[in-house]
Amino acid sequence: GENVEQHPSTLSVQEGDSAVIKCTYSDSASNYFPWYKQELGKRPQLIIDIRSNVGEKKDQRIAVTLNKTAKHFSLHITETQPEDSAVYFCAASQILKSSGDKLTFGTGTRLAVRP
Amino acid sequence: NAGVTQTPKFRILKIGQSMTLQCTQDMNHNYMYWYRQDPGMGLKLIYYSVGAGITDKGEVPNGYNVSRSTTEDFPLRLELAAPSQTSVYFCASSSNSAQYFGPGTRLTVL
Repeated sequence: GENVEQHPSTLSVQEGDSAVIKCTYSDSASNYFPWYKQELGKRPQLIIDIRSNVGEKKDQRIAVTLNKTAKHFSLHITETQPEDSAVYFCAASQILKSSGDKLTFGTGTRLAVRP
Repeated sequence: NAGVTQTPKFRILKIGQSMTLQCTQDMNHNYMYWYRQDPGMGLKLIYYSVGAGITDKGEVPNGYNVSRSTTEDFPLRLELAAPSQTSVYFCASSSNSAQYFGPGTRLTVL
């Protein structure tokens, strides 16, 4: 099955700096890569996703890049703000009608943005 | 739309007791999922369903059962609660890949 590794496990940045979180996956058949943000005691919320036919996707201050050859993808947050502090999870799946989007999650990165 | 709702929010069970975690979505999504999240960890898939009447095991199904009689509801059943099932349980639904999560149920088995 799929295995997703995520680094670093904790990340502390100064407000206004950039943050980068990296994930690698093992199954070359995976074709969908979402990122979730989870604040303390809350549900995971989808912040951005990318499919394997695209190399990069941006949404305001967040961007995701995908390298299919190396089987890794990264989350980039620019101009970080204190409200970006949360745990971020990457995930990977092979989209199939027979199984929906069975996501395999990384173990999470706790991001702290220092004011 | 309420999205994905779960009940109860919190529950304490004794070893050997059983309970059902409820999950309902009002987005008419075909796909629904149950995950568990242990402290400081990512989410692990317990069971999933691609439509009413169709369910299948995920990564960690032991000790759990599910049913899907309607598009809206996807309950998770614990038959003989064990301390290892202490966790936060999230239900999710999806359409066109993006998964939307419910608020979670925090379960403690003592």
